[in-house]
Amino acid sequence: QVQLVESGGGLVKPGGSLRLSCAASGFKFNDYYMSWIRQAPGRELEWISYISSSGEIIYYADSVKGRFSISRDNTKNSLFLQMSSLRVEDTALYYCTRRGAVTGPLNWFDPWGQGTLVTVSS
Amino acid sequence: QTAVTQEPSFSVSPGGTVTLTCGLTSASVSSSNYPAWYQQTPGQAPRTLIHSTNTRSSGVPDRFSGSILGNRAALTITGAQADDDSVYYCVLYLGSGISLFGGGTRLTVL
Repeated sequence: QVQLVESGGGLVKPGGSLRLSCAASGFKFNDYYMSWIRQAPGRELEWISYISSSGEIIYYADSVKGRFSISRDNTKNSLFLQMSSLRVEDTALYYCTRRGAVTGPLNWFDPWGQGTLVTVSS
Repeated sequence: QTAVTQEPSFSVSPGGTVTLTCGLTSASVSSSNYPAWYQQTPGQAPRTLIHSTNTRSSGVPDRFSGSILGNRAALTITGAQADDDSVYYCVLYLGSGISLFGGGTRLTVL
């Protein structure tokens, strides 16, 4: 079945860096756009980045542009999020999601992983 | 700065009907925003209910329906059940690769 498993979260100091990974299985990974979405504790969801199936097209939310970098390795069915210059406000559960279909609206996120927690604190 | 607006909270009686809405601060919502709705219960990842305004995701009961009402997107739950007690998020596609979530509506079924 389709599965997304995030890893790499943890505690990091402000200004530090962290790399998140997402292992995908159960579908043809290199056919799908992938996204990262985050949720701060007790807060709403926030879309932060997309990457196209080939990796050639990338979008970021303004809140992370210039600090975060999304990438993928289609040979390893993996999605990544390199986070740098981390701020306290980046503390959140980070979800890996897939576009709901090979073609279709970019705001259709399905399925979702269970998330990996990033805590930015001194 | 454009924002997606949702009612912070709503309550409905079991068996009742409720309509949650989703708007934009800067414009009317249309089908070109491909409104999508997600349900989230505590400690769980969100679950897709509706995408592309009114297309139910696989396995979603037909008591959930999506539409455009006036200048807002809407999620209607007909015959609410106890396990519909959740937070519901709307997300709109704004173009240029940008998707924006609303603040969520806490629906209480009691």
